[in-house]
Amino acid sequence: DIVMTQTPLTSPVTLGQPASISCRSSQSLVDSEGKTHLSWLQQRPGQPPRLLIYRISKRFSGVPDRFSGSGVGTDFTLKISRVEPEDVGVYYCMQAKQFPRTFGQGTKVEIK
Amino acid sequence: QVQLVQSGAEVKKPGASVKVSCKASGYSFATYDINWVRQATGQGLEWMGWMNPNAGNTGYAQKFQGRVTITRNTSISTAYMELSSLRSEDTAVYYCATGTRTFDFWGQGTLVTVSS
Repeated sequence: DIVMTQTPLTSPVTLGQPASISCRSSQSLVDSEGKTHLSWLQQRPGQPPRLLIYRISKRFSGVPDRFSGSGVGTDFTLKISRVEPEDVGVYYCMQAKQFPRTFGQGTKVEIK
Repeated sequence: QVQLVQSGAEVKKPGASVKVSCKASGYSFATYDINWVRQATGQGLEWMGWMNPNAGNTGYAQKFQGRVTITRNTSISTAYMELSSLRSEDTAVYYCATGTRTFDFWGQGTLVTVSS
C-alpha cells in the first residue's frame, strides 16, 4: 500500500495569514500516462469531507482561489494564502494512483 | 446539483450485519464510480472499496475482504455497502463518495454503532 504522510498534524494560524501543509507519498503517484493522482480534501467540523484540489493543483468547482496545490512525484503541498474562519477543519491528502486508495493522517488547521 | 443521500444511523450488536444505502441524484448514476470510506470518531479516513455502477465490478481493501459487499440498483440510482460480522471497532461514520481517481462528491455520512 502507498503510505501518505502529512506534516504538521496541527497548524495554528492567525486569520488572514498563510498556512501550508505538506504531504509525502511512499511511492511516486505518477501513472503510465504521466498524470499524478494526488488530491486534497477539507473536512470542516461535523461535516463530510469535500474535494478541494485534484491532480496536484486543479481546484475543484467552487473552491476559492486562496487554496492552491503544488508538488511533484512524491512531495506535495497545500497552501492557503490567507486563512479565513471557514477554513478551520482537518485537511487530508489522498492518493488514487493505485488500490487501495490511501489518505494522510490529516492536518488540523485551527485559529490561534 | 449532484447529491448523495445516505440512509440513517444504525445500532447493531456484535456479529450482526449492516447495510447502508447511498442514493445518487443530479447526474447519470452509471457514469462515475462509487467509493465507500469510513471514519471512526476523532480518527482519519479509511477507504473500504469501490464499485463501477455501470459494469457492476467491485474492489475491496484487503482489511475488509470477506466482510464487505458493495452492490447497486441502477433503476433507483442507489449503491449499497454491507458489512458483516460487526465488532465494536467497526463503530464509525460511513461515507459514500463519487469518482474514480477523485472523490468529487460525498454523502452526508451514516453513523453505525456496534454495541452489545
